[in-house]
Amino acid sequence: AQSVTQLGSHVSVSEGALVLLRCNYSSSVPPYLFWYVQYPNQGLQLLLKYTTGATLVKGINGFEAEFKKSETSFHLTKPSAHMSDAAEYFCAVIVTGGGNKLTFGTGTQLKVEL
Amino acid sequence: DAGVTQSPTHLIKTRGQQVTLRCSPKSGHDTVSWYQQALGQGPQFIFQYYEEEERQRGNFPDRFSGHQYPNYSSELNVNALLLGDSALYLCASSLARGRLNSNQPQHFGDGTRLSIL
Repeated sequence: AQSVTQLGSHVSVSEGALVLLRCNYSSSVPPYLFWYVQYPNQGLQLLLKYTTGATLVKGINGFEAEFKKSETSFHLTKPSAHMSDAAEYFCAVIVTGGGNKLTFGTGTQLKVEL
Repeated sequence: DAGVTQSPTHLIKTRGQQVTLRCSPKSGHDTVSWYQQALGQGPQFIFQYYEEEERQRGNFPDRFSGHQYPNYSSELNVNALLLGDSALYLCASSLARGRLNSNQPQHFGDGTRLSIL
């Protein structure tokens, strides 16, 4: 069965520093991969997605992620953290041919410090 | 353009009761999925409705049931509530365009926070 693993339940960075949130997937068929962000007391907002084509995907708010098949990874990065980036981030996978059921990781709480 | 709307925003019930949560999909969307998010966890897929039928189901007991109406809105019903049902219930909508294997992104509502006493 497909799954995603997010390494690090809590990540803390300084404002202006690089943000790196890790996600590894497990799937026997080519997956579709997603990153969602969740602010307190809100639902999930799509940051970016990978389906096919270019492996470097750019999303909203300056985030990007690179699909690396050889490493089964889809890490999320942002060159310079902003205070407003503090939130919980979820990596998710859909297995092609399996409908569009999202399987989520356990989430990474990002803290941005001055 | 209205996004996904869910009601109510908060709900308190006691063990053994029944609850109904409601969801209106984003304008133009035809598919609704429900997820349960326990505190500190990622969302877990409950089930998905398309063309008024349950199309996919996650690992949830029969106490969890749903419905989709002709206008694409949806309800999630939970019977015989347990303490462990306390969670944020998220509704997500997408456009299948006749193909449930579509990779159309899902748009989420802000959820219903259900507390069981």
